[in-house]
Amino acid sequence: QPLLTQPPSLSASPGASVRLTCTLRSGLNVDSYRVYWYQVKPGSPPLYLLRYRSTSDFQQGSGVPSRFSGSKDGLANAAILLISGLQSDDEADYYCMIWHRAVFFGGGTKLTVL
Amino acid sequence: QAQLQQWGAGLLNASETLALTCAVYGGSFSGYYWTWIRQTPGKGLEHVGGVDHTGNTDYNPALSGRLTISADTSKNQFSLRLASVTAADSGIYYCARRLFPVGDTYFDPWGQGTLVTVSS
Repeated sequence: QPLLTQPPSLSASPGASVRLTCTLRSGLNVDSYRVYWYQVKPGSPPLYLLRYRSTSDFQQGSGVPSRFSGSKDGLANAAILLISGLQSDDEADYYCMIWHRAVFFGGGTKLTVL
Repeated sequence: QAQLQQWGAGLLNASETLALTCAVYGGSFSGYYWTWIRQTPGKGLEHVGGVDHTGNTDYNPALSGRLTISADTSKNQFSLRLASVTAADSGIYYCARRLFPVGDTYFDPWGQGTLVTVSS
């Protein structure tokens, strides 16, 4: 079982809000990790979006709009990337990442803006 | 604000050696690990390895037998060499700066990526 599991794909309409989830493997507590989120688009350098562990331990990437935010679902043991006011330019692959004695990425979610 | 620009041959035959270089513009070269990350169709993003300004390296164990990453501090550049490539090594290779907040790590910024295709 991978350390981090992301849904392979998600679609939403412009203007909508979307929740991208990153579920930690059983035995790893989402409360214990800073979860990092990256946006990857063809032809562009990947972008560090944000880091989230708690409301008092988060960091927005440089120049990243506030409509990208982080949270978590303790019951689901999942980190969440919330994108509000979805734009066509948000269409990309989104990856979560943690440090757990090594670097681990989730499998990525392809977000389609319909 | 650091910017990374990378280059290298993107078309290889199986068993050849992949060679990529990344130049760092702006900011300090010391105090960070300079890293390669690849995106492959089957595995998504994968940490390949990195090097600091003193030459210390940190390799993905799955690749370490074929991998060499080195730094040229006189040019603020670092390079990757991956020997004996196969089709499984095909993908987009990115260079990135690795930062170390206490007890943690992340990557920012990244290079633009190099598409690597290995033909058999």
